[in-house]
Amino acid sequence: DAGVTQSPTHLIKTRGQQVTLRCSPKSGHDTVSWYQQALGQGPQFIFQYYEEEERQRGNFPDRFSGHQFPNYSSELNVNALLLGDSALYLCASSSGPNQPQHFGDGTRLSIL
Amino acid sequence: QQQVKQSPQSLIVQKGGISIINCAYENTAFDYFPWYQQFPGKGPALLIAIRPDVSEKKEGRFTISFNKSAKQFSLHIMDSQPGDSATYFCAAIDFNAGGTSYGKLTFGQGTILTVHP
Repeated sequence: DAGVTQSPTHLIKTRGQQVTLRCSPKSGHDTVSWYQQALGQGPQFIFQYYEEEERQRGNFPDRFSGHQFPNYSSELNVNALLLGDSALYLCASSSGPNQPQHFGDGTRLSIL
Repeated sequence: QQQVKQSPQSLIVQKGGISIINCAYENTAFDYFPWYQQFPGKGPALLIAIRPDVSEKKEGRFTISFNKSAKQFSLHIMDSQPGDSATYFCAAIDFNAGGTSYGKLTFGQGTILTVHP
């Protein structure tokens, strides 16, 4: 039984570029949440998708957007990348918005 | 009001000892309190969780103690092992639909635990 899978594992971009990160939820899960984890910090909530809609959003600018597909997988898009966007991006899935969240191993994004 | 404060920042324990990590929260709407364990290069793994209607939950060597009136909760790791060396995060979430923190985990700052053999 596969857990939460994320791709790619590592990514290097330059300032101003755009990036798309992908997440496949754990089997049986229909809700996907995205978090940003800076080095040495706890994860910060970006947003949550359920039934293909953004249901909840954290304090992140509109440069951060997402999408959920009918098969429950999800994408995180970040436009106009800044140096401060360098972080580990984590995807978590759950069997509903009010159920325990299980994390993938993340995508390490480095901005040069 | 959304913050979860975690202490200590780092902790060194001898093998066989007890590791204790503490967290405090402000938002009384939080109704689920998980602990996550994170190894380098990996995502956080759900370790144990508690709801505020119980004061203690034990799973193997891991115990959560919860004090609703003080808005505090703690993780106790009994018989700590070198394999327990990792970063531990407490978190809180509001599972009630319509709340401003509904569905989003709020994490503490993390505790780096080192267990010496």
